[in-house]
Amino acid sequence: AQSVAQPEDQVNVAEGNPLTVKCTYSVSGNPYLFWYVQYPNRGLQFLLKYITGDNLVKGSYGFEAEFNKSQTSFHLKKPSALVSDSALYFCAVRDMGGSQGNLIFGKGTKLSVKP
Amino acid sequence: KAGVTQTPRYLIKTRGQQVTLSCSPISGHRSVSWYQQTPGQGLQFLFEYFSETQRNKGNFPGRFSGRQFSNSRSEMNVSTLELGDSALYLCASSLAPTGTDTQYFGPGTRLTVL
Repeated sequence: AQSVAQPEDQVNVAEGNPLTVKCTYSVSGNPYLFWYVQYPNRGLQFLLKYITGDNLVKGSYGFEAEFNKSQTSFHLKKPSALVSDSALYFCAVRDMGGSQGNLIFGKGTKLSVKP
Repeated sequence: KAGVTQTPRYLIKTRGQQVTLSCSPISGHRSVSWYQQTPGQGLQFLFEYFSETQRNKGNFPGRFSGRQFSNSRSEMNVSTLELGDSALYLCASSLAPTGTDTQYFGPGTRLTVL
């Protein structure tokens, strides 16, 4: 069965420091991988996706993610964190080899960036 | 260009009732997906529609159903409401089917079941 794990409930980073939000996945076929962000009292926003091709994917607001097939990981990164990056981040996977192509979300990681 | 709109924004129902939520996608978008968000279960995929056809479905009971109209607007229906159906229901639209294009989310409908 497909699954997504975000091992950290919360990540704390100082402003200006690099940040990493971790995600690992398990699927039977080729994965489509996504990152979404949810700001307080606001809807969900798409950040980036990996379908195929270059393992390093660049997305919105300076975020990027690296697809690692051998480690089945898709960690979200940003070179220099901003206080405004504080939000809830969700990793999701879609198993294109599955019969229904369900989109499975991780539990979410709360990112807190302190000035 | 207007974003994804969802109506109503807030809804209070009692157990056993049914409810219909509406989602209007961004103009030109033909794919609409629905998600349920709860504190306990997190974000869960409900279903996806493209050109009036259900393409994918999550692991939800048959009480949850949806449809898409020819103008791409979508409705989601929950029958025989249970307390556990209290959640934020999010709708997202995209030009192409989910997985090949950027999804844009609406603000959600907050459903409370008493």
